Amino acid sequence: NAGVTQTPKFRVLKTGQSMTLLCAQDMNHEYMYWYRQDPGMGLRLIHYSVGEGTTAKGEVPDGYNVSRLKKQNFLLGLESAAPSQTSVYFCASSYKLEAGNTEAFFGQGTRLTVV
Amino acid sequence: KQEVTQIPAALSVPEGENLVLNCSFTDSAIYNLQWFRQDPGKGLTSLLLIQSSQREQTSGRLNASLDKSSGRSTLYIAASQPGDSATYLCAANDYKLSFGAGTTVTVRA
Repeated sequence: NAGVTQTPKFRVLKTGQSMTLLCAQDMNHEYMYWYRQDPGMGLRLIHYSVGEGTTAKGEVPDGYNVSRLKKQNFLLGLESAAPSQTSVYFCASSYKLEAGNTEAFFGQGTRLTVV
Repeated sequence: KQEVTQIPAALSVPEGENLVLNCSFTDSAIYNLQWFRQDPGKGLTSLLLIQSSQREQTSGRLNASLDKSSGRSTLYIAASQPGDSATYLCAANDYKLSFGAGTTVTVRA
């Protein structure tokens, strides 16, 4: 029972490079989210998805793109990495108790450094 | 926009003392409030989830209360142990989770 799995766990990028972070969940959850965590700032929502084929912007979406082609996967892309995107990225998924009422489960995080 | 605040930012107590962690949120139109624990360099572990219709939720030594009308939740940890040392995060769910910055707890043996 893997839960929410993030790949990779660590990555170092050079400024301007691109990369994709993968989030996979095996709980058949409807909703998936990408957050970033920076020291002293808590978690901030980047993008989220309420179902296969749908995505929406969160609080800090600039510089990121996402795709949810399959229900179990949620991809986060950085087209041209910048040092300001150095952060720990967390993926989460949640099931729908009722409309909008969900309980979230988190992956172990991806530590990204952009030099 | 939902704003979530956690006070204090850090707390250090001797072993055995009870812990009281506070969380406030600005928009009371939430579905639920979730408390998480985060160990250094690790992910988030869900501790308790309180539905908007509930006043409190308990799990072992943990008890969380919710006062939606005043925009407050409190996490109580009874008889603290060194293993309780971690950062505790609260998140208000109004369709999306909005997090506080966390309270970092140190329990001294």
